[in-house]
Amino acid sequence: EAGVTQSPTHLIKTRGQQATLRCSPISGHTSVYWYQQALGLGLQFLLWYDEGEERNRGNFPPRFSGRQFPNYSSELNVNALELEDSALYLCASRPRGLVGTGELFFGEGSRLTVL
Amino acid sequence: GENVEQHPSTLSVQEGDSAVIKCTYSDSASNYFPWYKQELGKRPQLIIDIRSNVGEKKDQRIAVTLNKTAKHFSLHITETQPEDSAVYFCAAKTNDYKLSFGAGTTVTVRA
Repeated sequence: EAGVTQSPTHLIKTRGQQATLRCSPISGHTSVYWYQQALGLGLQFLLWYDEGEERNRGNFPPRFSGRQFPNYSSELNVNALELEDSALYLCASRPRGLVGTGELFFGEGSRLTVL
Repeated sequence: GENVEQHPSTLSVQEGDSAVIKCTYSDSASNYFPWYKQELGKRPQLIIDIRSNVGEKKDQRIAVTLNKTAKHFSLHITETQPEDSAVYFCAAKTNDYKLSFGAGTTVTVRA
């Protein structure tokens, strides 16, 4: 069974540009989470999508946004990029509702570098 | 929202010794406490978890303890081996399914 897949693996942008990151969850998983992992800051919660709806968002500015498609894949958009947006962006998925342990399954991440 | 604090940020142990990482959480409604291990350049992976109705759980060389009253939980790794070197994250989840992570502990096992 394929795990969570993310693309691109690496992305280099300049300040002010926009970045789009993509995530495909494990088959059967309906919830998708996005986390930002900046150096030394652990995993900061960004967004949670379930059944196509945004369910919760972390303490990030509105220029961080996303969506979930009918096939449960997801996209994270970061507008007006700033240098401090440079980080590893991790996507994770979870099965529908209360099925399973609550474990999140992570992708390998997309490393965004803003110059 | 939930706030998870994790200590220490770095931990160096001699191979064969034990390692202990401690976390505290703020939301008394949190009911699920997983621990993730992230090896260099790899994705975080669940190594052990505990629910709020259990005080301790063990899986071979790793164990987790939970003190609901004090709102803290700990990871214990015994007989450490070089492959235990990694970054470890604790997390806490409330009923809204949002998982809040600690800042991570970089564990180095010295041969």
